[in-house]
Amino acid sequence: DAGVTQSPTHLIKTRGQQVTLRCSPKSGHDTVSWYQQALGQGPQFIFQYYEEEERQRGNFPDRFSGHQFPNYSSELNVNALLLGDSALYLCASRPDRNYNEQFFGPGTRLTVL
Amino acid sequence: AQSVTQLDSHVSVSEGTPVLLRCNYSSSYSPSLFWYVQHPNKGLQLLLKYTSAATLVKGINGFEAEFKKSETSFHLTKPSAHMSDAAEYFCVVSHLNDYKLSFGAGTTVTVRA
Repeated sequence: DAGVTQSPTHLIKTRGQQVTLRCSPKSGHDTVSWYQQALGQGPQFIFQYYEEEERQRGNFPDRFSGHQFPNYSSELNVNALLLGDSALYLCASRPDRNYNEQFFGPGTRLTVL
Repeated sequence: AQSVTQLDSHVSVSEGTPVLLRCNYSSSYSPSLFWYVQHPNKGLQLLLKYTSAATLVKGINGFEAEFKKSETSFHLTKPSAHMSDAAEYFCVVSHLNDYKLSFGAGTTVTVRA
């Protein structure tokens, strides 16, 4: 079992650009969440996807959007990048029926110049 | 609303001595509580979890934590620190009616030889 995988590992963009990050959940997991971890801080919840729909959203602007595919994989899209979007973006997956079995991927390090 | 406060931003211990990381939580409902560890440039790894069963929870790598409802605390301990324990530790809370994990700000642990 490969666990939660994310791509790419690192990404460098410039202000105003758009970015797409990808996540494949752990086998058997149908729920995917995205978190933003700024340097020196704890991860902050962006949103969660289940059955291809956004189920809950944290305090992030509409520039942050997502998608979940029928195979449960997910994308995080960020438009009009700002310097403050530079962070480690973490994907987490779990079975919907089990709130307490959440596994994290290694993350994508996004740098906005 | 639910939140956690990690009382120490940085803890330094000598190898072989005990480690104590302090966490207080706030939750309107019966919470689930977790400790995660993050090594440099790595993803988050679950150390242990409390989900309303035994109040003393044993985790991986010799760590354990005790849930104290009267003190709203969930402190993490290890009897003897190892050099490999140097990392960032996060206390996390969630509950059944909320899909997200809420992270503390983290505690950086350094281990002196």
